[in-house]
Parts: sequence; structure tokens; C-alpha cells
Amino acid sequence: GESVGLHLPTLSVQEGDNSIINCAYSNSASDYFIWYKQESGKGPQFIIDIRSNMDKRQGQRVTVLLNKTVKHLSLQIAATQPGDSAVYFCAVITGTASKLTFGTGTRLQVTL
Amino acid sequence: DTAVSQTPKYLVTQMGNDKSIKCEQNLGHDTMYWYKQDSKKFLKIMFSYNNKELIINETVPNRFSPKSPDKAHLNLHINSLELGDSAVYFCASRFGYSAEKLFFGSGTQLSVL
Repeated sequence: GESVGLHLPTLSVQEGDNSIINCAYSNSASDYFIWYKQESGKGPQFIIDIRSNMDKRQGQRVTVLLNKTVKHLSLQIAATQPGDSAVYFCAVITGTASKLTFGTGTRLQVTL
Repeated sequence: DTAVSQTPKYLVTQMGNDKSIKCEQNLGHDTMYWYKQDSKKFLKIMFSYNNKELIINETVPNRFSPKSPDKAHLNLHINSLELGDSAVYFCASRFGYSAEKLFFGSGTQLSVL
């Protein structure tokens, strides 16, 4: 089966610094990757996605990097703010399956 | 105008009871999901329906029975609740089978006493 995101449960960063959250996946056939943010008491919210034919995609203050060679993706958050404090999940879809498999999540704590 | 809405938000019940969680989406999506999130925040897919047909059925006890009366609704019925069923259950939806993002509801926190 798919295994996704097996490390970095908590990341603490200072307000204003950049954050990097990492995720590893195991299936080289995975072709679509998503980052979700989950705030306390809420459902996961879409942040940014990337397909396997790309290696970088940028959004507002966020960048996702995909390294298919080592099966790794990362989420970079520029100028981290207190409102960025949440649990972040990577998720992957492989092939034509409609199943989205989530990683274990990383808790981002922003300190003032 | 909530896109994916679940009810109830909190559900506290005794072991052995039967309970249902309801989900509705107004996004025009035709694929809906149930995910279970444990105390360590791990999200695991349980079921998926596309146009009222079951397309994903993970290894879930048969005490859990999803029902999709139409493509905008996916309900989850749980029989003979056990302590280990305590978790947050999320409904999600998207359009079709393609590699597209899911939209999640705000979750139902189930506590079995």
C-alpha cells in the first residue's frame, strides 16, 4: 500500500521566518500531490497542489517543491504568521484511483 | 452557503448504540468520501461513492454502513458502537475520478463512552 509522510511531527518557527514542511512518499507512480492545512476544530483546507510533470509551483506565500527522484515534496511558507499555526498534511493520488492518501501530518507552531 | 456540511458536529453516545452522521455538499460534485481521523491526527479513507455507487471500501468493520441517497448526500451509519470508534469523521467531495483536490467538511467528533 501507499505510505506517505513518515516524519517531522512538530515544527516550531518564529514569526516572520520561513517554514519548510517535508513529506516523503513511497509510490513512484504517484502523479498528483496536495498540501492541506488543518486548523483546530476544522476540516482540512486545500493550500496548493502539484502534478508530477512539474517540480515547483508557487502560490501566495507558499511554494511546493516536488523531487520525483527521491520521492519527496516540501511546502515552503514565506514570512510565517501566527495564523499559519496548524497541522499540515501532504496527500497523494496514484494513477486512476480516486483515493487520496494522506501523510501523517506536521504540526506547525509559530512563536512570537 | 457551506460547501460540505456535516451533522452533527459533536456526537456523544454509549457503547452499543447505533448512530448516524449526515453529509451534504452543494458543490455539484459527484464523488463523496468518508475519512476517519484518529487522536494522532492520522486521516484514513473509509468509503467513497461516485454517483451513488460505492467505489472505495477500505478495511472497515461492517458495523459501518455508508448510504448515498443521491450524489449530493453521503451518510454514515454505525451499528453497535465501540470505544475504538471514537474519532473525528470527515466527509469530503470532489468532481469525478480525476486527480483533483477534495473539499472537506468541518468534521463530526464522535465520543463513545
